[in-house]
Amino acid sequence: RKEVEQDPGPFNVPEGATVAFNCTYSNSASQSFFWYRQDCRKEPKLLMSVYSSGNEDGRFTAQLNRASQYISLLIRDSKLSDSATYLCVVNMEYGNKLVFGAGTILRVKS
Amino acid sequence: EAQVTQNPRYLITVTGKKLTVTCSQNMNHEYMSWYRQDPGLGLRQIYYSMNVEVTDKGDVPEGYKVSRKEKRNFPLILESPSPNQTSLYFCASSRPDSYNEQFFGPGTRLTVL
Repeated sequence: RKEVEQDPGPFNVPEGATVAFNCTYSNSASQSFFWYRQDCRKEPKLLMSVYSSGNEDGRFTAQLNRASQYISLLIRDSKLSDSATYLCVVNMEYGNKLVFGAGTILRVKS
Repeated sequence: EAQVTQNPRYLITVTGKKLTVTCSQNMNHEYMSWYRQDPGLGLRQIYYSMNVEVTDKGDVPEGYKVSRKEKRNFPLILESPSPNQTSLYFCASSRPDSYNEQFFGPGTRLTVL
């Protein structure tokens, strides 16, 4: 079983739609969680951290469910510019190690 | 401009021909690492360095070497490249107090024939 698993997609949605991605992780002792965004053929960049209480940044909302060991990312009012691959990232318990999911592809179409 | 640079950006080589991919950051970060990205597998860590002269293996270190003689540079060396090392490589750096925000270089696409 992979340490971090994501639905690869692609998710094809129209502009203005709301879309949600989930990600599951295997290590129950994992400490911190993040979403990175990667544009086509570009480097990954931190999108947002994920906190137990949930957090929101504009149109983006991230949630953590420790009991079920998954995190989610919700994007409201999708824009064409949101088209990218979204990487779920988990900091495992054993030191400074980030484990990256394979990514979920989002395509927003007009 | 704060950035991580990698060179070359694209490289096609043949099996067994030693190569080095350079990585440099101008943010005075202590922590640097190398990843490879393959379809369906996500980013996997090859090597990392907590500071000058301190390096350690990541998840997939076989076939690679690194060195950290200066804080800003962290080259990746393939002594004898093989076709299974064909991949997209990223260098990243971060501050020790903000490890989770890694700043990535633009990537190096390597093809080994």
